[in-house]
Formats: sequence, C-alpha cells, structure tokens
Amino acid sequence: QKEVEQNSGPLSVPEGAIASLNCTYSDRGSQSFFWYRQYSGKSPELIMFIYSNGDKEDGRFTAQLNKASQYVSLLIRDSQPSDSATYLCAVISPWGKLIFGQGTELSVKP
Amino acid sequence: DGGITQSPKYLFRKEGQNVTLSCEQNLNHDAMYWYRQDPGQGLRLIYYSQIVNDFQKGDIAEGYSVSREKKESFPLTVTSAQKNPTAFYLCASSIRTDTGELFFGEGSRLTVL
Repeated sequence: QKEVEQNSGPLSVPEGAIASLNCTYSDRGSQSFFWYRQYSGKSPELIMFIYSNGDKEDGRFTAQLNKASQYVSLLIRDSQPSDSATYLCAVISPWGKLIFGQGTELSVKP
Repeated sequence: DGGITQSPKYLFRKEGQNVTLSCEQNLNHDAMYWYRQDPGQGLRLIYYSQIVNDFQKGDIAEGYSVSREKKESFPLTVTSAQKNPTAFYLCASSIRTDTGELFFGEGSRLTVL
C-alpha cells in the first residue's frame, strides 16, 4: 500500500462544475496535509494546507480533512479551464517526512 | 524578488558524464531539497539539507551527490553511477524541514543521450 494515494485521472469536468480531488494516506498519526498545483512542464506551487479535521476554504478552493477515515480532499468550485493541472497531495508522516502522492490530472473543458 | 533559481533549465548530456545542477535561493530558508519527477509520478526525494554543511540522503540518493557550503546554494551532481538520469529535477526550500510548505524552483530537465 502506498503511503499517499491519489487517483491519477485524468479527471474531466465541465467549466463551472465542482471538481473533487481525493487523497488517502496510510499513517494514522499524520498531522499536516498539503495540496500543490502543477501546470504541465512547470514546478509545483502550494495552494492549500490543512491541519485540523473539517473544512478550510480559500476562495474557490476548499480542503477537507477526515483523520478518522484517513482522507483529505480538495474541492474546486466554479472550475475554470485555467484550473487544468496536476494536483499533488502531500502529507507529513508521524516521523516528520513529507510524502507526495503521484498526483491527479484535472482537465476542465470549456 | 525572493525566490529559487535553478539552472540550467534544459540540459543534454552523453551517457557516462557527470552533470551539476545549480540551485540558489534568496528566501533566507534553512532547509533545501532536491526532488526528481518522472512522467506520471509524484516527487521523489533525492537529498535534503537542514543547515549549512549538513545534508541527508532521501529515498533515491544513489548516483547523486550534493553540497551545502552556503545557506543560499544547494547544487546537485548527477553522476555516471545514476542508472536512469533522464528526468525533471526540482529544487525546493522551506523555513525548516518539519513543514510541508515548500517553495520550488522552475526545475531542470535533464536528458541523457
């Protein structure tokens, strides 16, 4: 079992829809969770982080964390073609190691 | 303008040659990292450094070497011992190593012919 798992996609949504990206992790004691966006051929950039159970909203983005079920998700409301990218989930393990998932490719169709 | 500068952006080398990728940051961050990314895969940690003159192996350090003589600089050498060096290499920095808030350079794409 991978330490951080994401569906590689591609996930295709129409413009204006809600895109839902999911990530599961294997180490129950993990404390900190991050979402990075990576455009094709570019480097990742941090867009959200969440430390506590529940939802955290930032503009059109909402990160959701459920530690009991060991998953973290990213919702993108009113998806735009400019949101088309690969989204990387990253988790800090109980021993302090930052572990990346393989990423989910999102395609927003006009 | 604070940030991380990687060079070169593209590099072609013949098999068996060592190559050095440059990474410089002016964010005053203590921690620096090198990651490798292959198509369709996430980021794999090669080396990281928490402080000047100290660095640690990551998950895939074989065939690579680094140095950290200055806080701002963390060059990566891809040696001839690296079996499959063609990849996208990313340098990153953070305030400290126990955070997931990393700032990345633009990357260096190495192709070995």
